[in-house]
Amino acid sequence: GQNIDQPTEMTATEGAIVQINCTYQTSGFNGLFWYQQHAGEAPTFLSYNVLDGLEEKGRFSSFLSRSKGYSYLLLKELQMKDSASYLCAVRENTGGFKTIFGAGTRLFVKA
Amino acid sequence: DTAVSQTPKYLVTQMGNDKSIKCEQNLGHDTMYWYKQDSKKFLKIMFSYNNKELIINETVPNRFSPKSPDKAHLNLHINSLELGDSAVYFCASSVRSGSTYEQYFGPGTRLTVT
Repeated sequence: GQNIDQPTEMTATEGAIVQINCTYQTSGFNGLFWYQQHAGEAPTFLSYNVLDGLEEKGRFSSFLSRSKGYSYLLLKELQMKDSASYLCAVRENTGGFKTIFGAGTRLFVKA
Repeated sequence: DTAVSQTPKYLVTQMGNDKSIKCEQNLGHDTMYWYKQDSKKFLKIMFSYNNKELIINETVPNRFSPKSPDKAHLNLHINSLELGDSAVYFCASSVRSGSTYEQYFGPGTRLTVT
């Protein structure tokens, strides 16, 4: 089975840095994704980690610790357009590959 | 434009009706998915097809029947619609690209059952 936990909501200020945490329990771990979803729109891919460590991509970075079942998404120099839901998703191989999504963290960026 | 497209974007229907949602991707991907996102925004996998073969079939009522006529299309037919079927249904596709397996999502179909 699997379980993915992330905070329901977070608020941060424009220009600041915010870290969104995700913990997971799963068998057959095969990678962790972060997706961004604006209200009323489709999720869009942000990052993928399969090995421990930090992956940096512009203002966004994602970290993974497989031994701790833990990941975070770091957003720097926040902009108003970053207000969205951020979905943590785990890819698992339990006789077939499947991606399981967490409930998402709604981020509000205020001026 | 290269993308994952879904039709219709909005679907309002009455309980007991049968409806279909169509999905097409022209990204050359070999795997396609159907997800359901309910009012609490939880995105749940329903089905997955790889090269037209069903590979994931989650605990979904058998009123839901996917069909993949070819690698680029994955349709979803729903029989005897119920109020609880109201949700946004997303189609997605993916292929291994380097070391990632990112999924590309369609714009979603908002289904409202009255």
